[in-house]
Amino acid sequence: RKEVEQDPGPFNVPEGATVAFNCTYSNSASQSFFWYRQDCRKEPKLLMSVYSSGNEDGRFTAQLNRASQYISLLIRDSKLSDSATYLCVVNNAGRRALTFGSGTRLQVQP
Amino acid sequence: DAGVIQSPRHEVTEMGQEVTLRCKPISGHDYLFWYRQTMMRGLELLIYFNNNVPIDDSGMPEDRFSAKMPNASFSTLKIQPSEPRDSAVYFCASSSLATGGNEQFFGPGTRLTVL
Repeated sequence: RKEVEQDPGPFNVPEGATVAFNCTYSNSASQSFFWYRQDCRKEPKLLMSVYSSGNEDGRFTAQLNRASQYISLLIRDSKLSDSATYLCVVNNAGRRALTFGSGTRLQVQP
Repeated sequence: DAGVIQSPRHEVTEMGQEVTLRCKPISGHDYLFWYRQTMMRGLELLIYFNNNVPIDDSGMPEDRFSAKMPNASFSTLKIQPSEPRDSAVYFCASSSLATGGNEQFFGPGTRLTVL
């Protein structure tokens, strides 16, 4: 079983739609959680950190459920520029390295 | 300020040849990571360094792979001899404990093709 599991998609949505991605992680000792974004043939970049209380950054909302070991990302009012692969990422206690999910591909259609 | 710099950006080589990938982390960052990305396996950590010292190399696939960090501004990942299954995009990333250490900054990657 992979340490971080994501639905690979693709999610094809029209502009303006709301879309949600989910992710589960297997290591209950995981301490930090993130969403990274990766454009086609580019490097991953941090989109946002995920906190237990939930956090929002503009059209993006991330939530963490530690009991269910589940992370989500909600994108409202999708833009064409949101088309990318979204990587769910966890960081385990005492280890600086990140563990990446395989990513969920989003394609926003005009 | 320059981000993480990697070279070469593309490398095509024949099976059995030695390949050396290079990385310059962001100045002042004390952690450096090497990742490999393939369609089948996604993004995998190979090795990471803290203050130039290798901390965890459990992701290095086999003895054909080696990594060094002779100083704070330079690291290499070497594959000798290379095999077709090594074809992937290799990313270098760096981070700084001083700024929380959680965000990793990735270089543009080296796209390696082994024929």
